[in-house]
Amino acid sequence: AQSVTQLGSHVSVSEGALVLLRCNYSSSVPPYLFWYVQYPNQGLQLLLKYTSAATLVKGINGFEAEFKKSETSFHLTKPSAHMSDAAEYFCAVSDIFNTDKLIFGTGTRLQVFP
Amino acid sequence: DTAVSQTPKYLVTQMGNDKSIKCEQNLGHDTMYWYKQDSKKFLKIMFSYNNKELIINETVPNRFSPKSPDKAHLNLHINSLELGDSAVYFCASSDRGRTETQYFGPGTRLLVL
Repeated sequence: AQSVTQLGSHVSVSEGALVLLRCNYSSSVPPYLFWYVQYPNQGLQLLLKYTSAATLVKGINGFEAEFKKSETSFHLTKPSAHMSDAAEYFCAVSDIFNTDKLIFGTGTRLQVFP
Repeated sequence: DTAVSQTPKYLVTQMGNDKSIKCEQNLGHDTMYWYKQDSKKFLKIMFSYNNKELIINETVPNRFSPKSPDKAHLNLHINSLELGDSAVYFCASSDRGRTETQYFGPGTRLLVL
């Protein structure tokens, strides 16, 4: 079965600091991976996705993620955090047996301090 | 202008009641979903429909019954509400395929007293 694991349920950074949110996947076939963001009291919004093209994927709001097969990772980064980045971030993998199904990680809450 | 909309936004009700949540998307997608997000923010798919046909039904109690009158609408009816049903319910839509982006509604916050 496929799964994603997000290490760290809470991450705190200072404004202007590097953001690193970790996601490791488990999959028997090349995975399709997603990062979604959920701002307080809102629905989820796609940040970026990996669909087996370039391994370095650029997304919205200055975020990017690198697919590393050797490490089974798809970590999300942003060079300089902004106060508006404070949100819940979810990594997800597309189910190989069901094209409509996304399997989500448990989420990481990002706090940004001034 | 809203892509995926849900009503109501908040729902407070007593145990044992029956309630419905409505979802509409104007993105022209043929696949729609219901997700449940619990108090720990864990997000799990409940159902998906493709062109009004049920595709995914994830071990959800029979008290939950989705209905898709057309491919732009997917409603969720819940019978005999229980305390454990308290959660945020999200509707989403997408084109079909493993690489497709799912677009989420704003959520319906259900509190069962």
